[in-house]
Amino acid sequence: ELKVEQNPLFLSMQEGKNYTIYCNYSTTSDRLYWYRQDPGKSLESLFVLLSNGAVKQEGRLMASLDTKARLSTLHITAAVHDLSATYFCAVDRGTDKLIFGTGTRLQVFP
Amino acid sequence: DAGITQSPRHKVTETGTPVTLRCHQTENHRYMYWYRQDPGHGLRLIHYSYGVKDTDKGEVSDGYSVSRSKTEDFLLTLESATSSQTSVYFCAIRSGDRTYGYTFGSGTRLTVV
Repeated sequence: ELKVEQNPLFLSMQEGKNYTIYCNYSTTSDRLYWYRQDPGKSLESLFVLLSNGAVKQEGRLMASLDTKARLSTLHITAAVHDLSATYFCAVDRGTDKLIFGTGTRLQVFP
Repeated sequence: DAGITQSPRHKVTETGTPVTLRCHQTENHRYMYWYRQDPGHGLRLIHYSYGVKDTDKGEVSDGYSVSRSKTEDFLLTLESATSSQTSVYFCAIRSGDRTYGYTFGSGTRLTVV
C-alpha cells in the first residue's frame, strides 16, 4: 500500500527566510505532484514532476524529485506572506490514482 | 475552476438520508475522481472512473457509490448519510497526458446532522 508522508506538518517562518518541505513515499513511483490550498479553497497545481532528477521552479518555490530515495522536496526561498497556505504532495503510482500526503501548513510572518 | 464544476457547493442533510453530489466537466477527460478532505488526513480517494460506466473503489469507499453514464458527469451518492461523512468533497479530472496533472473542482461542503 502506498503511503505518502510530509514533514513538517506545520511550519511557521519569518519573511525572508528559506525552508524546505519534505515528501517521502513508500513505493516506487516517478510521478509526483505538488499542490497549494488556501483556506476554504480548492487545490491549485504547482508542479508536476515526472522523472527522476526532475527540478522545477516557479518564483520563490522550487520542487525536485529523487525517485531512488522516494523523496521530493519543495524549497521556499526568501518567504513572503503571500506564500502562506497549505501545501500537499501527491503521488501517482501509475495506477491512475493520486495518493496525497497529509499536507504542510505554512505560515509566514513579518 | 475552469472546465470542472461541482454541485451543490454546500449542503446540510439529515442522518440516514441519501445524498448525491455532482461533478461536471467540459474537458472531455477520461479520468474522474472523488476525494474527501478531513483535518489531519489530507485528501483521500473515495472512487474513481476511467471511462463511461467504468469505475473502481478508492481507499475510503464504504458507504459511497458512484455512477458515470456520460463522459462529462460523475455522480457520488451517499447511500445513507452518517455524521462521519461530514466533510469537504472534491472532484478531480485528468487527461490521458499526465504532464498536465490533475485539476480539482471547487469542492462541496457537506454537513450531516
